Amino acid sequence: GQNIDQPTEMTATEGAIVQINCTYQTSGFNGLFWYQQHAGEAPTFLSYNVLDGLEEKGRFSSFLSRSKGYSYLLLKELQMKDSASYLCVSEDSSYKLIFGSGTRLLVRP
Amino acid sequence: IAGITQAPTSQILAAGRRMTLRCTQDMRHNAMYWYRQDLGLGLRLIHYSNTAGTTGKGEVPDGYSVSRANTDDFPLTLASAVPSQTSVYFCASSEGASGANVLTFGAGSRLTVL
Repeated sequence: GQNIDQPTEMTATEGAIVQINCTYQTSGFNGLFWYQQHAGEAPTFLSYNVLDGLEEKGRFSSFLSRSKGYSYLLLKELQMKDSASYLCVSEDSSYKLIFGSGTRLLVRP
Repeated sequence: IAGITQAPTSQILAAGRRMTLRCTQDMRHNAMYWYRQDLGLGLRLIHYSNTAGTTGKGEVPDGYSVSRANTDDFPLTLASAVPSQTSVYFCASSEGASGANVLTFGAGSRLTVL
């Protein structure tokens, strides 16, 4: 089967660190994406993990554990503009994408 | 044009009417996609095209049709709109339908069917 689980909402404080978790059940798993989507806008690509471990890109990092079917997105030094939905997306062996329903992050001053 | 352009931005439509959502990309991407996004659900694939001249059905194709006459354009048609097709529709493209398939999305078309 194909399923993605991620929290519906999270709240964090400006300047803090937040971790958004995602678990997936994907037949023939190939890789995992994270997209950011501001309210009323299009999703934009953040990261792609295919190997286990942590990928760092500035304030954002993404982690993958293939054996556990688990990923997280880590956002450091939170800014108000980071308030958005974060979509966890798995890719199967036929390159089909399965989108999670997204985690809405609210950054408070 | 830079990236993907969708039109219209929003539309209110009477049930039973025919509607075409337009999508144009200028990145010469091979693959194009139509998704719908509904509250509380992940993006769901309606139809896709891996290359000009070919199309395929996604997860929720019923009530929708697409065509891919050339690389740049990928219109989505609702032959006879129903209220359950009220949604935000996103067109997307990628270089190819292979691994690390990063999608570029259009700004979306908000459709309300009454």
